[in-house]
Amino acid sequence: GENVEQHPSTLSVQEGDSAVIKCTYSDSASNYFPWYKQELGKGPQLIIDIRSNVGEKKDQRIAVTLNKTAKHFSLHITETQPEDSAVYFCAASMRPGNTPLVFGKGTRLSVIA
Amino acid sequence: KAGVTQTPRYLIKTRGQQVTLSCSPISGHRSVSWYQQTPGQGLQFLFEYFSETQRNKGNFPGRFSGRQFSNSRSEMNVSTLELGDSALYLCASSLPSADTQYFGPGTRLTVL
Repeated sequence: GENVEQHPSTLSVQEGDSAVIKCTYSDSASNYFPWYKQELGKGPQLIIDIRSNVGEKKDQRIAVTLNKTAKHFSLHITETQPEDSAVYFCAASMRPGNTPLVFGKGTRLSVIA
Repeated sequence: KAGVTQTPRYLIKTRGQQVTLSCSPISGHRSVSWYQQTPGQGLQFLFEYFSETQRNKGNFPGRFSGRQFSNSRSEMNVSTLELGDSALYLCASSLPSADTQYFGPGTRLTVL
């Protein structure tokens, strides 16, 4: 089955700097890669996703890149703000269909003001 | 539009008891998935329901079960609770054949 590895497990950046979180997946059939942000006491919130027919996607300060050949995908957050502090999860699955999301172990991002 | 709601938000049970958790999906969403989140194992898939049928099941013992009602609301049940069942149980809903899953706030279960 699918296996998703996520690095780093913790990341501290100064406010205004960029943050990069990387994930690798094992199943080449996976074609849907969402990123979730989880704040304390809340459920994961989708922040951006990418499908395998696209190499890069941006939404304001957030971008995701996908390298299908290497089976890598990354989350880039620019101009970080204290409210970006949270745990971020990557995931992979094959969609459409009923294959479940397989999550990485998460990255705790701390943005220091 | 209201988001995914889960009740109760917090539960404390003792070993050997059973527990039922409830999830109401976003209006119009007919697919409901359940995940267990623990510090050690992260987010792990439990099962998915669509139109009252279980479509997929994760690698959890038979003590974990679920069901979905005709209004798409779902419940999960854990019988004979063990200390290791302490976790945040998350429910996510999605439109049929859609990629995006939307999560609820979770139910924090503590087993003493």
